[in-house]
Amino acid sequence: KAGVTQTPRYLIKTRGQQVTLSCSPISGHRSVSWYQQTPGQGLQFLFEYFSETQRNKGNFPGRFSGRQFSNSRSEMNVSTLELGDSALYLCASRTADGGLNTGELFFGEGSRLTVL
Amino acid sequence: GEDVEQSLFLSVREGDSSVINCTYTDSSSTYLYWYKQEPGAGLQLLTYIFSNMDMKQDQRLTVLLNKKDKHLSLRIADTQTGDSAIYFCALAPNSGYALNFGKGTSLLVTP
Repeated sequence: KAGVTQTPRYLIKTRGQQVTLSCSPISGHRSVSWYQQTPGQGLQFLFEYFSETQRNKGNFPGRFSGRQFSNSRSEMNVSTLELGDSALYLCASRTADGGLNTGELFFGEGSRLTVL
Repeated sequence: GEDVEQSLFLSVREGDSSVINCTYTDSSSTYLYWYKQEPGAGLQLLTYIFSNMDMKQDQRLTVLLNKKDKHLSLRIADTQTGDSAIYFCALAPNSGYALNFGKGTSLLVTP
C-alpha cells in the first residue's frame, strides 16, 4: 500500500510569488491535514480537510489556503510568499471520520519550500 | 507547541537505553503519540498510548504515561546508530483535528 505522497519534494521561490503543493493520501483515507515545520516554531497545524470540506484551520494568515478533491487528493496554496514561509510542509492522512482521538495520522515526506 | 515540552538534545552510546521525556499541560488529551523524523524525511509514527493506559511496550520501545504529573516518556532499549533522529511527542485533543507537537528531541547515538 503506497504511503502519503507529496509533490514537489523541493522548490525555490522568490518573495511575492505563489506556490501550490500537492498531497495524495493513502488509498482509502479521506482526511488530509497540513502542517508547517520550521526550526523556530516547530510543527504547526495549518488545516484539515475531510470529504472536500475544510473542517479546521490553524492560526495562519489568509495567504495560506487549501482544498481537497473528490478523490481525497489535496492541494495547499501560499500566495504572496514571504521569507518566513520557508519551511517543510507536511501532509498527513487518516481513515477515521471523527476527531484525532479515533485514529493514527500518517505523514508524507514533505515539500521543502525555500523563499529567496 | 508551547503546551508540550521536550528537552532538545540527548546523546547516548550504542547499546545503552535512551529515555526521551515529554511534559504537557492539556490533561484532556486522549491519544499521545511518538513520532520519529530522520534527516530529510517526514514523520514516522513509532507508537502511541491511550490516555487510560500507564504503559505500552512494543519490541524495543516502552512508553510510560504518568497522568498525574502529565509526563510521557519513550524508552528505547539497546539503542542503535540507526535510532539517531529527532523524536516528537504529540498529543491528540479530546476533540478537534490538530495534533499538538513538542519541539522535538534530537537523539544522537554514538558508537
